[in-house]
Amino acid sequence: NAGVTQTPKFQVLKTGQSMTLQCAQDMNHNSMYWYRQDPGMGLRLIYYSASEGTTDKGEVPNGYNVSRLNKREFSLRLESAAPSQTSVYFCASSQSSGGAFTGELFFGEGSRLTVL
Amino acid sequence: TQLLEQSPQFLSIQEGENLTVYCNSSSVFSSLQWYRQEPGEGPVLLVTVVTGGEVKKLKRLTFQFGDARKDSSLHITAAQPGDTGLYLCAGAGAWNDMRFGAGTRLTVKP
Repeated sequence: NAGVTQTPKFQVLKTGQSMTLQCAQDMNHNSMYWYRQDPGMGLRLIYYSASEGTTDKGEVPNGYNVSRLNKREFSLRLESAAPSQTSVYFCASSQSSGGAFTGELFFGEGSRLTVL
Repeated sequence: TQLLEQSPQFLSIQEGENLTVYCNSSSVFSSLQWYRQEPGEGPVLLVTVVTGGEVKKLKRLTFQFGDARKDSSLHITAAQPGDTGLYLCAGAGAWNDMRFGAGTRLTVKP
């Protein structure tokens, strides 16, 4: 029962370097999300993909890009990392069922990123 | 400014006490969810409330959705050390974009 798998779990970057966080889910969910979590800020939505082939900006999209590669995979790319992007990143997926969204969000274990 | 405001931000109580945490917004949500997160892990869903005025109970936890669907509360009766964690509320936007509050960090001391 893998659920949502994120890689890598830890990463240290220097300012200006680029990297991609990978996320895959095996629950056949339509929707996938990327959040960042900082102390005292809860989870802030970076980008989401309501269905395969679509992506939309969330609350804090600047400095990030995403790709919904297929139904299973949703990657987050930092083109030029900045210290302000030091955070814990969570990928999540859900299955909406039409009308009011009642789908449960299933989260990965998180990726801890440090930008020096 | 976060779309969902949670209060209090921190709460430290003794085992056996009751507590209530709040989640408020100026926006109307089609549904609200409560999650609990432990250190080093992703959040896990506790409950989803959909109908204004709805009350759901999960053992010692009682969740209420406001009549106007803008706010929610979580009440814990006779808290136990195992209830310690970060409690997050989340609301679904028009495009199923789930937005979270900053959370309430609860510590229950034995």
